Amino acid sequence: QQQVKQSPQSLIVQKGGIPIINCAYENTAFDYFPWYQQFPGKGPALLIAIRPDVSEKKEGRFTISFNKSAKQFSLHIMDSQPGDSATYFCAASPARDTGKLIFGQGTTLQVKP
Amino acid sequence: DAGVTQSPTHLIKTRGQQVTLRCSPISGHKSVSWYQQVLGQGPQFIFQYYEKEERGRGNFPDRFSARQFPNYSSELNVNALLLGDSALYLCASSSGRINYGYTFGSGTRLTVV
Repeated sequence: QQQVKQSPQSLIVQKGGIPIINCAYENTAFDYFPWYQQFPGKGPALLIAIRPDVSEKKEGRFTISFNKSAKQFSLHIMDSQPGDSATYFCAASPARDTGKLIFGQGTTLQVKP
Repeated sequence: DAGVTQSPTHLIKTRGQQVTLRCSPISGHKSVSWYQQVLGQGPQFIFQYYEKEERGRGNFPDRFSARQFPNYSSELNVNALLLGDSALYLCASSSGRINYGYTFGSGTRLTVV
C-alpha cells in the first residue's frame, strides 16, 4: 500500500515528441505528488508537483494529469528536447507524514535529435 | 545561494567498517531528510529530522542512525557495513516540516568492498 508503481521503465522519443510517464498508487492518504528529474551524477531536482484537488497542472513544457478515482497520475513533456534526456521519478507523500517521499522506480527518457 | 551540500562525494569502505556522511542544508532550511538510492532504483527514505528531532524513519536496520545539529546540518552514520549498503546517499532539505518541495544534494556515492 506504500508503493508507487511507475511505467514505462525506459522511453525513447524523437525531438518534439510528447513522452508520457505514468504512475499509480494505492494509499489514499497520499496527498502530494511531485515529479523529479535526475541527471547522471546529480541528485533529483523537483520539476512539478500536484495535490489531488486539481486534475491538471502545467509548468512550462511539463504537465501533470491527475486521476484521483483511478489513483493514477502522469507526466507529459511537450516539445521534448535532447536536453530532457534524464531519469524521471514520480513520488507521493502522505499528508501526516510529509517528511517522507515514496518514489517510483524511475523512467529513463532518451530524446533523439 | 549555495544548494544542499554533501560530503564526501565518493567513499570506498570495507565490509564491517563504519561510515559518516555529512549534509549542509540550504540556509534557512530546518528540515533534512536522508535517502538511499541503489543503482537503477528510486530513492528510499531513511530519516527525516526537523528542528533537531527525528520526525520520521524508514524501513532500515538499526545500523543506520542520524542526527541534526543546532546549525541544522546533519550526519548519517552506518555501522557494520554490508555489501548491500553500496548506494548513492542523498540528503534533501526543505524550509519546514510540511513538504512543499525538497531540494536534494548531489549525494555521496558509497562503495562497500
